[in-house]
Amino acid sequence: SSELTQDPAVSVALGQTVRITCQGDSLRTYYAAWYQQKPGQAPVLVIYGENNRPSGIPDRFSGSTSEDTASLTITGAQAEDEADYYCNSRDSSGSRVFGGGTKLTVL
Amino acid sequence: EVQLVESGGGLVQPGGSLRLSCAASGFTFSSSWMHWVRQAPGKGLVWVSRINPDENKSTYADSVKGRFTISRDNAKSTLYLQMNSLRAEDTAVYYCARAAHDYGGNYHPWGQGTLVTVSS
Repeated sequence: SSELTQDPAVSVALGQTVRITCQGDSLRTYYAAWYQQKPGQAPVLVIYGENNRPSGIPDRFSGSTSEDTASLTITGAQAEDEADYYCNSRDSSGSRVFGGGTKLTVL
Repeated sequence: EVQLVESGGGLVQPGGSLRLSCAASGFTFSSSWMHWVRQAPGKGLVWVSRINPDENKSTYADSVKGRFTISRDNAKSTLYLQMNSLRAEDTAVYYCARAAHDYGGNYHPWGQGTLVTVSS
């Protein structure tokens, strides 16, 4: 089965830019989606497709892909962006796979 | 408004069974691929299973294959997960999720989840 690899933890100073990455072979074929999860809450979709945001997601969130690596970029990180972030993709069988998650700390 | 409401979680002994339900509303359930995703306490999200709209095709993660069965009742707009031969490692919050066509087949929104605890 496919695997997606994320850094376990990343930190960013308030107002600065941070990039969270996700690496896996399936990303050469399928776009990643990114989910934000705050403690005690259900995940929330923040980026999908080439670089799309659901309604209500601030435009400081953006996504990109290069070869086998997808990136979630937060430009001007805010305190409320502190959360766990998960990438998700699919494989040729239609199964889905999540990355292990990245804990973002806003300093 | 799209809503997914999971229920049926609880405490069960190892080797036991449990059936989870997910009541869906606010979208055309009968046209949607539906999935189950779980999250063990303090751990990450893990995909569990999916089922097609016509109820005749399902896929499972290797960790649950042969023990879990996903099903749906389109007339009731309800998704199910029958879990048998439960193990301690199945302890998790279980989320049902709609593969939303308008969002590239990704999960939006999520329900609140239901907690399954497997312990003696």
